[in-house]
Amino acid sequence: DAGVTQSPTHLIKTRGQHVTLRCSPISGHKSVSWYQQVLGQGPQFIFQYYEKEERGRGNFPDRFSARQFPNYSSELNVNALLLGDSALYLCASSLPTGGLWNEQFFGPGTRLTVL
Amino acid sequence: GQQLNQSPQSMFIQEGEDVSMNCTSSSIFNTWLWYKQDPGEGPVLLIALYKAGELTSNGRLTAQFGITRKDSFLNISASIPSDVGIYFCAGQEYNNDMRFGAGTRLTVKP
Repeated sequence: DAGVTQSPTHLIKTRGQHVTLRCSPISGHKSVSWYQQVLGQGPQFIFQYYEKEERGRGNFPDRFSARQFPNYSSELNVNALLLGDSALYLCASSLPTGGLWNEQFFGPGTRLTVL
Repeated sequence: GQQLNQSPQSMFIQEGEDVSMNCTSSSIFNTWLWYKQDPGEGPVLLIALYKAGELTSNGRLTAQFGITRKDSFLNISASIPSDVGIYFCAGQEYNNDMRFGAGTRLTVKP
């Protein structure tokens, strides 16, 4: 079975531009979460979506938005890019188990560089 | 938000040695998790802990959920070269937000 897939793998943008990152969850998984991982740090939670609805949001500005599609894939959008947005963006999918979405399976990430 | 303090930041050990790393939080979590991340890949779940005091093993890995629910440790016994990587602790709250520590970078010398 295919794991979580993300595209593109690498991306270079300039300040002020907009970017869209894509994620396909493991087949059967209905929840998708997005994380930002700056070099040398642990992942930071951005969003969680379940059944196409936002279920959680981390401490990120409104320039960050996301959505989930009927096939449970997801997009993360970042507007007005800043240099500090350069990071590895990770997508994770999970099945809800007893109300706790602990078993999150991560994709390989999209490396975004903002120049 | 809650801060997770993970230590040590890095470890250089000889193959065969045991390893211990830990994580502390300023507040309570209802779940503690340990992940490993290899270069160019996303984190992979190693162990999940759901109850205060719980001690769980996965092969050579053992982790414990602290009684106070504010800390957790991970032990690796008899390290091997493929244990090299970055280990992250993560705490999860009831609202499902997951917070990660800054990671422990493990180097194993053959």
